[in-house]
Amino acid sequence: QVQVLQSGAEVKTPGSSVKVSCKAAGNRFRSYTISWVRQAPGQGLEYMGRIIPMFGTTNYAQRFQGRVTLSADESTNTAHMSLHGLTIEDSALYYCAREAPHSHYMDSWGNGTTVTVSS
Amino acid sequence: YVLTQPPSVSVAPGQTAKITCGGDNIGLKSVHWYQQKPGQAPVMVVFDNTDRRSEIPERFSGSNSGNTATLTITRVDAGDEADYFCQVWDSTTDVLFGGGTQLTVL
Repeated sequence: QVQVLQSGAEVKTPGSSVKVSCKAAGNRFRSYTISWVRQAPGQGLEYMGRIIPMFGTTNYAQRFQGRVTLSADESTNTAHMSLHGLTIEDSALYYCAREAPHSHYMDSWGNGTTVTVSS
Repeated sequence: YVLTQPPSVSVAPGQTAKITCGGDNIGLKSVHWYQQKPGQAPVMVVFDNTDRRSEIPERFSGSNSGNTATLTITRVDAGDEADYFCQVWDSTTDVLFGGGTQLTVL
């Protein structure tokens, strides 16, 4: 298990962008697969995509293609998720998690970042 | 690919809870289960159909065959009240979660 700490809550206006950060403990960050999952209030879990810092590769869920950007800074063991063109429906709790490379389970989750989109 | 979970399951304390996750030939996939208590992040309780990390009680177990995967919780207590989500990886949809099941301990 890996300790994962996320950035604080954000309040944004429709049409703007948000950037959420996720810092992982340990010295193997670059070999991790970091995934992002969101959860709207009272709803289920929705997968957004993943990044593997070591290879710089990213995969995005189809419904977020073109609207989300994942990045990672190996020098600070931090991954970032940027979501653009926010709408009210993007108000949710955003989690990062470490994803197992072959089985794709998520064994370590961050504490979550609340993003509120409101005019 | 679609994963189907019952919205809710209720069980009396000390009894056994079974939470199902249905999907087309899901028995051919690796299924993972997460527990999420109110206000908390999900916690993985079962991975790769039947495996469990050491910190997860042995009361939690998983099975997967045919079109149904099942999370079984024996000797249920109030502390097990939570939402439970199944998850798979599929070549067309990537990571996919079931809709979640709310477990109520009566």
